[in-house]
Amino acid sequence: GEDVEQSLFLSVREGDSSVINCTYTDSSSTYLYWYKQEPGAGLQLLTYIFSNMDMKQDQRLTVLLNKKDKHLSLRIADTQTGDSAIYFCAESAGNNRKLIWGLGTSLAVNP
Amino acid sequence: DTEVTQTPKHLVMGMTNKKSLKCEQHMGHRAMYWYKQKAKKPPELMFVYSYEKLSINESVPSRFSPECPNSSLLNLHLHALQPEDSALYLCASFGARGGELFFGEGSRLTVL
Repeated sequence: GEDVEQSLFLSVREGDSSVINCTYTDSSSTYLYWYKQEPGAGLQLLTYIFSNMDMKQDQRLTVLLNKKDKHLSLRIADTQTGDSAIYFCAESAGNNRKLIWGLGTSLAVNP
Repeated sequence: DTEVTQTPKHLVMGMTNKKSLKCEQHMGHRAMYWYKQKAKKPPELMFVYSYEKLSINESVPSRFSPECPNSSLLNLHLHALQPEDSALYLCASFGARGGELFFGEGSRLTVL
């Protein structure tokens, strides 16, 4: 069945780059998403990529998509303490825009 | 305006109470969603409305009753809830133009 997997934890030093990885199984996915969730807050759409793209860059964020390996990554350049949060990867499946979610990667940024 | 607004932000209710959660968006999106999220877990889909019609019900208990009065509003009516229903309830809307799925800040529900 459909599945999205992410590593659960990542710890980086402030100023370094963070790379959060995600694998998915549904080859018919239309969009792939990255959301950020800070404690007690809602889900913030960070970025998303259409499945026919390989890369998308938006300020400090770079998304890479390897369709052959069904691998998605989110790179955060110059990581700051304010980037500490849970990052969820999700893929859209089907016309009803139902998302399949990863379990989330908890990013800790150390000063 | 890329905002989805949810009210109330916090709600405490007893198991015999009736309350409602509200969601509003003015982005012209025609698909709206209710999700339930437990702490540090991914959100779980409850309902999807497309063009004001219910298109997906993920086998949600009848004590949760969704309503879509118009294309900008989505309600979730709550009745006879259980303590295990305590969670963050998130509303989202989808823009058909570019694939953007925006979430509100959520309503944190506690059932006593």
